[in-house]
Parts: sequence; structure tokens; C-alpha cells
Amino acid sequence: DTGVSQNPRHKITKRGQNVTFRCDPISEHNRLYWYRQTLGQGPEFLTYFQNEAQLEKSRLLSDRFSAERPKGSFSTLEIQRTEQGDSAMYLCASSLGGANEQFFGPGTRLTVL
Amino acid sequence: AQKVTQAQTEISVVEKEDVTLDCVYETRDTTYYLFWYKQPPSGELVFLIRRNSFDEQNEISGRYSWNFQKSTSSFNFTITASQVVDSAVYFCALSEPDTGRRALTFGSGTRLQVQP
Repeated sequence: DTGVSQNPRHKITKRGQNVTFRCDPISEHNRLYWYRQTLGQGPEFLTYFQNEAQLEKSRLLSDRFSAERPKGSFSTLEIQRTEQGDSAMYLCASSLGGANEQFFGPGTRLTVL
Repeated sequence: AQKVTQAQTEISVVEKEDVTLDCVYETRDTTYYLFWYKQPPSGELVFLIRRNSFDEQNEISGRYSWNFQKSTSSFNFTITASQVVDSAVYFCALSEPDTGRRALTFGSGTRLQVQP
């Protein structure tokens, strides 16, 4: 049983650099979500896809953030010109349908120096 | 606007004690879903339960039980006879799919420490 996978698991970058994260959802799941979690807080929603369509974006998703899900399979989240405030755990989740439980990946921990 | 409040930041118990984690939510929708997730020290969120707003039946799964009360907008989680392996951060979450809010709104979590 393959769960949600995310790569890389850890990323250290210097301020101003661009980074890209990948998420592979559970294969039959049509919905894919990105969240961000900072220390001591619950995950905060960033964006979600139904198949290849990006249907909702949080106001947290600034112009420096972009997400794609080509062909409705894996997804990428890119952060351009990283800032120290971008340091967080980036979580990906997938679900079958909109009301069903979301299954989370292990996350990518980003540290911006 | 939707909101989830977990007022207990941290709880410490001794093994075999029962413990209840509180969750209070706010929503204007009549159709919504409530969830509990566990985040162990390894970091990966683990799904525990989903409950829809029309089903107020309490649920029991082994040592875990959930009490959903619409009258008080609460969805509390009880662990009976706690074990060290229960040590984790527990999150309550809400989704409102009818208004297009399919993403989860999480509370800030309750850290549970179970001492041997």
C-alpha cells in the first residue's frame, strides 16, 4: 500500500534562492492539497487541486509561490526568492473526493538561511 | 468564518490514565466534517476519524472514543488507559465542502505526553 510521498524530505537554502518540492499522491486520489506547518501550530492550507485543475488558493500563497499538477498526477510547489519566513514544514495530502479524509505525506522541511 | 479551537496546549498524564482532548469549532454551514489527526514525533499526520455533521453518534475504536455534540459545537476525543505510544500532538480539523471549503482548517493542536 503506497501512501503519499514527498521529496526532498529536507531542504536547506539561502535566502533569495528558488526551491521546488514534489508530491506524489495515492494513485487513485483525485484531490491533492498543500499545507504549511510552522513550529507549534497546526497545518495551514495553501492550495488544492482536483485532478489537474487548481481550484482554491489561500491568501497565504503569495506571488512567490506557484503550484502545478500536470496530468493530474504528481504535484510540484515552487517558492521563488525564498525568505527566512518561508522556513516551515510543507505538507502534501491527497483524498478521494472532497468530503473524504485526507492522507498526508511525511512533509518537506524547508530551512532558509 | 470557520475556526477550530483546541484550548489545551499540553497535557501530561501517567500511563493507564484516561485523558480527554477538547475541540470546539465554529461554522455557519449545516453540512460539515470534523476530523482528528495524530502527529507523532516522526512528524507524519495520521488520520484517526472523520465525522459528518448529521451523525451525532459517539464512536469507539479500541481505546479511542469520540464525543460529538452539536449543541456545544464540540468534538472531544478520549483515550482510555493511555500508553506511552499515545504521546503525540493531536489535531482537530474542520472542512465545509458545500461552500467549496474542502481544505481542512486545523486547530493549534494538543501535545499529549504519557509518562511511564
